Amino acid sequence: AQSVTQLDSQVPVFEEAPVELRCNYSSSVSVYLFWYVQYPNQGLQLLLKYLSGSTLVKGINGFEAEFNKSQTSFHLRKPSVHISDTAEYFCAVSDSEGAQKLVFGQGTRLTINP
Amino acid sequence: EAQVTQNPRYLITVTGKKLTVTCSQNMNHEYMSWYRQDPGLGLRQIYYSMNVEVTDKGDVPEGYKVSRKEKRNFPLILESPSPNQTSLYFCASSLWGRGLTDTQYFGPGTRLTVL
Repeated sequence: AQSVTQLDSQVPVFEEAPVELRCNYSSSVSVYLFWYVQYPNQGLQLLLKYLSGSTLVKGINGFEAEFNKSQTSFHLRKPSVHISDTAEYFCAVSDSEGAQKLVFGQGTRLTINP
Repeated sequence: EAQVTQNPRYLITVTGKKLTVTCSQNMNHEYMSWYRQDPGLGLRQIYYSMNVEVTDKGDVPEGYKVSRKEKRNFPLILESPSPNQTSLYFCASSLWGRGLTDTQYFGPGTRLTVL
């Protein structure tokens, strides 16, 4: 069975500082990996996804993530954050066996301080 | 505008009073799903549907029912709500369900409180 662990429940950073949100997964088969963002009082929207190919994936709003198969990780990074990046971020996994669901991590709340 | 809509957005009810949360998408998506979001637990899937008249259980289906009579609609039914169903509920849809490589589009959420 798949599972996702987001290692930090909260991450406070200063504006214009770099940030990394960590995500580890477990799965016995090939996986598809996603990062979703939830702004306050809104639904989730896709930031980026890894399906195959290049392990470095670029998404919207300057975010990128790197798929590391040997470490079963898919960490999200941004070199310089803005106040508007304040949100909750969710890592999610589905697998190539056709399981009809996304398995989400617990979420990481990113707070940007001026 | 392509979107997933949910109604109501907020609901306070009492134990045992049947309720329905509606979900509708206008993107002709095959796959629809319901999640609940609880602090510290992320999102957990309740039910999903691969197409009209095809539904299946997710990870936490107890106490919920769904139906998919039309492609665009996927209502969530709580026959006898209990306080442990107090949560934030999201409906989502994607073009296809198999393998779930497609982006899922989420509704704005329904905050349910059961007293």
